[in-house]
Amino acid sequence: KNEVEQSPQNLTAQEGEFITINCSYSVGISALHWLQQHPGGGIVSLFMLSSGKKKHGRLIATINIQEKHSSLHITASHPRDSAVYICAVWDTDKLIFGTGTRLQVFP
Amino acid sequence: NAGVMQNPRHLVRRRGQEARLRCSPMKGHSHVYWYRQLPEEGLKFMVYLQKENIIDESGMPKERFSAEFPKEGPSILRIQQVVRGDSAAYFCASSEQGVSEAFFGQGTRLTVV
Repeated sequence: KNEVEQSPQNLTAQEGEFITINCSYSVGISALHWLQQHPGGGIVSLFMLSSGKKKHGRLIATINIQEKHSSLHITASHPRDSAVYICAVWDTDKLIFGTGTRLQVFP
Repeated sequence: NAGVMQNPRHLVRRRGQEARLRCSPMKGHSHVYWYRQLPEEGLKFMVYLQKENIIDESGMPKERFSAEFPKEGPSILRIQQVVRGDSAAYFCASSEQGVSEAFFGQGTRLTVV
């Protein structure tokens, strides 16, 4: 069993739909990252959070430390949101990554 | 602030050659991490360095791989006598403190032929 589990692994959506990606982890953490990676591209940090909720534009991230669970929401999805979204948790001095959720948004 | 800079972006090596991957952290960041992404797999931790010190190398293969972060200049990930299985994307990240927001480079895509 992976220490960081994401669901779903693959997700397709129509433009405008509300999207949720989930992350559950078993390692003890102090903070969690949501990352975005385009095919063949670099990795962009979307959020780092250790409690509560953060919002940036159409992206919202929440975390429940007690339940060891985080969610990434995308409102009014757009084809340019198509990418792999990766949850990563800090475990002592290193990030442990989920295997990613591949999102495709169709016009 | 140019962000985390990695070079080269793409590197092709023949089996048995050496590969040197460079990472310049963000200005003011003294913590550097190297991660490897094998084809169709997730990212895996390799090594964590602070200036002139290796803090955690628990993810580094025991042979052929080494990393450094000298007082001056970029961090270097060195792979000696590369094999086909070393083909992967290698990402560097930096942070201001140990557990704080990490910023990633564009990665170096190593292909061993």
